[in-house]
Amino acid sequence: EPEVTQTPSHQVTQMGQEVILRCVPISNHLYFYWYRQILGQKVEFLVSFYNNEISEKSEIFDDQFSVERPDGSNFTLKIRSTKLEDSAMYFCASSSSVYNEQFFGPGTRLTVL
Amino acid sequence: AQSVAQPEDQVNVAEGNPLTVKCTYSVSGNPYLFWYVQYPNRGLQFLLKYITGDNLVKGSYGFEAEFNKSQTSFHLKKPSALVSDSALYFCAVRDANRDDKIIFGKGTRLHILP
Repeated sequence: EPEVTQTPSHQVTQMGQEVILRCVPISNHLYFYWYRQILGQKVEFLVSFYNNEISEKSEIFDDQFSVERPDGSNFTLKIRSTKLEDSAMYFCASSSSVYNEQFFGPGTRLTVL
Repeated sequence: AQSVAQPEDQVNVAEGNPLTVKCTYSVSGNPYLFWYVQYPNRGLQFLLKYITGDNLVKGSYGFEAEFNKSQTSFHLKKPSALVSDSALYFCAVRDANRDDKIIFGKGTRLHILP
């Protein structure tokens, strides 16, 4: 069964450093998403991406965040200058259409020291 | 703005008993409703969805949910709980008329007692 994959599973970084979180969505999906989950809290929407552009973003997704689909398979989330409060589990998701469920990857745990 | 409420932080059920995990939602347009389950140190797994049609939807692992428009609810149910059902359950909603993001509830931890 096809699945969304994410790398790395755990990323530790120093405050102020740039990080890139990588995702490989399900191959025939067209809609891509990033969510985050701060420990013990609910899952929060960050950004959606379709047709090589951002279709929607939340207020969390400020200028420090960017997304990119550099080739036909990867979907990345970049945080330019990490802050302590960026520490969270980051989930990538994809779906075949806006009417269908989103399939989530296993997540990347980001720890900012 | 859309929102989801899961009023119970934790639900405890004895193995073999029926279980219900509650969810209510608020959207301005038509709701697309979802249930996801999260096992420890794992991602979110899709269980079931309501888009249109029958109010009772069946999903994975014997779970089902009933869409109730008048009560704006989408409670998750299972007739006979298993210990392996113990996990964190998230209800989620998308406003079909507005955007494509999913808004999640805060989650309900389901604990099945052997």
